[in-house]
Amino acid sequence: QVQLVESGGGVVQPGRSLRLSCGASGFTFRTYGVHWVRQTPGKGLEWVTGISYDGSNKYYADSVKGRFTISRDNSKNTVFLQMDNLRAEDTALYYCAKESGSSISLDYWGPGTLVTVSS
Amino acid sequence: EIVLTQSPGTLSFSPGERATLSCRASQTVRSISLAWYQQKPGQAPRLLIYAASTRATGIPDRFSGSGSGTDFTLTISRLEPEDFAIYYCQQYGSSPPAYAFGQGTKLEIK
Repeated sequence: QVQLVESGGGVVQPGRSLRLSCGASGFTFRTYGVHWVRQTPGKGLEWVTGISYDGSNKYYADSVKGRFTISRDNSKNTVFLQMDNLRAEDTALYYCAKESGSSISLDYWGPGTLVTVSS
Repeated sequence: EIVLTQSPGTLSFSPGERATLSCRASQTVRSISLAWYQQKPGQAPRLLIYAASTRATGIPDRFSGSGSGTDFTLTISRLEPEDFAIYYCQQYGSSPPAYAFGQGTKLEIK
């Protein structure tokens, strides 16, 4: 079955960096786009970034542009999110999610990894 | 940038009732790019509806989506106890490429 598992979250000071990973299994990873969506505790969902199936196209929310970088390694079925110059407002639960093959919706999500930016 | 507005923020119903949730876009949205998700406490979102009206795999037929242009609706025909959750609409825009989520509607038991 399709599985996505995020890792790499933790507590980090403002201005520092963190790298999240999203490991995938149960589907042909190299043929699907993957996205990161975050959720502040008790708040709604915010799309962060997405990457096409082959890594040739990358998209970012304005709130993270220039600070976050998405990448993927199709040989390892993994997507990465490099987060630099972190701010307090980046504190959230970060989900990775797979694009559906029949639409641009997100049909499978991981359980999320928590990032806390605090001094 | 398209903004999705879901109102009201909270709806109260009894099991067995019919619930209608609204999602309004700040400008015209292609139906193919509109989706609905359900989120329960402590869980990741779950895709319910894509392309405005197509149920995702395994979603019961009591869930239906409709609408076009700027107004979209998620209807749950007969509420089951497990349907009380938060529902989000989501839209994909291509210029620039980005996803937008509504702020969510919480469906609570009356």
